[in-house]
Amino acid sequence: DTEVTQTPKHLVMGMTNKKSLKCEQHMGHRAMYWYKQKAKKPPELMFVYSYEKLSINESVPSRFSPECPNSSLLNLHLHALQPEDSALYLCASSQNRGVDYGYTFGSGTRLTVV
Amino acid sequence: DQQVKQNSPSLSVQEGRISILNCDYTNSMFDYFLWYKKYPAEGPTFLISISSIKDKNEDGRFTVFLNKSAKHLSLHIVPSQPGDSAVYFCAAGGGYQKVTFGIGTKLQVIP
Repeated sequence: DTEVTQTPKHLVMGMTNKKSLKCEQHMGHRAMYWYKQKAKKPPELMFVYSYEKLSINESVPSRFSPECPNSSLLNLHLHALQPEDSALYLCASSQNRGVDYGYTFGSGTRLTVV
Repeated sequence: DQQVKQNSPSLSVQEGRISILNCDYTNSMFDYFLWYKKYPAEGPTFLISISSIKDKNEDGRFTVFLNKSAKHLSLHIVPSQPGDSAVYFCAAGGGYQKVTFGIGTKLQVIP
């Protein structure tokens, strides 16, 4: 299995809703990432987990809450989002955290906040 | 402040010819550079990388060149094929620093 699987592919949520994005990989990768990408912009790093511990939080608002229940799973819990949070959310994994490991990306979750 | 810049939003090339995608960076701490390819409705796919100790890395039809003094790298695709039509992201980082992505260049290979 050489894939990163993200669910759901599309999500529409209201500003008072609570939802979660899920990401799964079975490649034995020990680093996992959440990126946010808006139209015509590069992917922007949100969080990095290394060996199931949060190692980087890029000053992301607390309405985004990551969770790494085990080495194969990464969740992003969403609560009280704003319309400007609408974006493509990409999960990625790599063998280890060093920059010289190429990332394997999932297809992303297209999030719309209404 | 964009630390990784891809100044050409799009590029069209005839099938069989060379495609050259360019990337500039500003952060002198970057010592590893990567290219990713992205098809619509898919996540980016790792394509090729280069360490700052090298000036060239080749993998089949894909070659990446690095000019450290100019803080410039380029991706050459020879020969270009219609299946290469995608958005190409340049990315850079150093050690355990986060990887920073460019905005992408959309390549269209015309049959």
